[in-house]
Amino acid sequence: DGGITQSPKYLFRKEGQNVTLSCEQNLNHDAMYWYRQDPGQGLRLIYYSQIVNDFQKGDIAEGYSVSREKKESFPLTVTSAQKNPTAFYLCASSYNPGQGNQPQHFGDGTRLSIL
Amino acid sequence: GENVEQHPSTLSVQEGDSAVIKCTYSDSASNYFPWYKQELGKRPQLIIDIRSNVGEKKDQRIAVTLNKTAKHFSLHITETQPEDSAVYFCAAPNNDMRFGAGTRLTVKP
Repeated sequence: DGGITQSPKYLFRKEGQNVTLSCEQNLNHDAMYWYRQDPGQGLRLIYYSQIVNDFQKGDIAEGYSVSREKKESFPLTVTSAQKNPTAFYLCASSYNPGQGNQPQHFGDGTRLSIL
Repeated sequence: GENVEQHPSTLSVQEGDSAVIKCTYSDSASNYFPWYKQELGKRPQLIIDIRSNVGEKKDQRIAVTLNKTAKHFSLHITETQPEDSAVYFCAAPNNDMRFGAGTRLTVKP
């Protein structure tokens, strides 16, 4: 979906290093989400944000942090506390789910690997 | 958050046959039920969705049915083709967005 841009497409992390995955959307969506997908597995919710300057933990938030300073941007930091970060990370956005749930639009994902 | 269970986890059908994937949910307040298709290495894409004020919705070979009393909804694909091979996810969001575990559909030519 051209409205959501994730970068980089591939990322490598060294032991003890924090890395930040970028997610930008120009769809004027209120809500944004981060998911982790392991090979052959489903989508697990890491964090989500329904409005600027507010976000909630998902099911697997430990070892991750986010910020939502702008409506268009929802970066995800994978900290050194996340011991098994190798996965495919997907960002998504939607209109405000509090006004009647809306479909999500996904970015192309970032594939993170440990060196 | 909402608990969504999806079955089966894998499904193999012959080209031209029908495929059915079922999801059950726990939160009776859920009112929107989307289905996503994810091809290998790509992002999930919405293929069809239904809201709680209708029981069935159809789009060409794809249909979704909803039973709010029993809290389950199903994806039906008729006349399957090899390009339907992918992983399919359901969701029953209620302010957050959690997905079912996915169904890997293989359509054999």
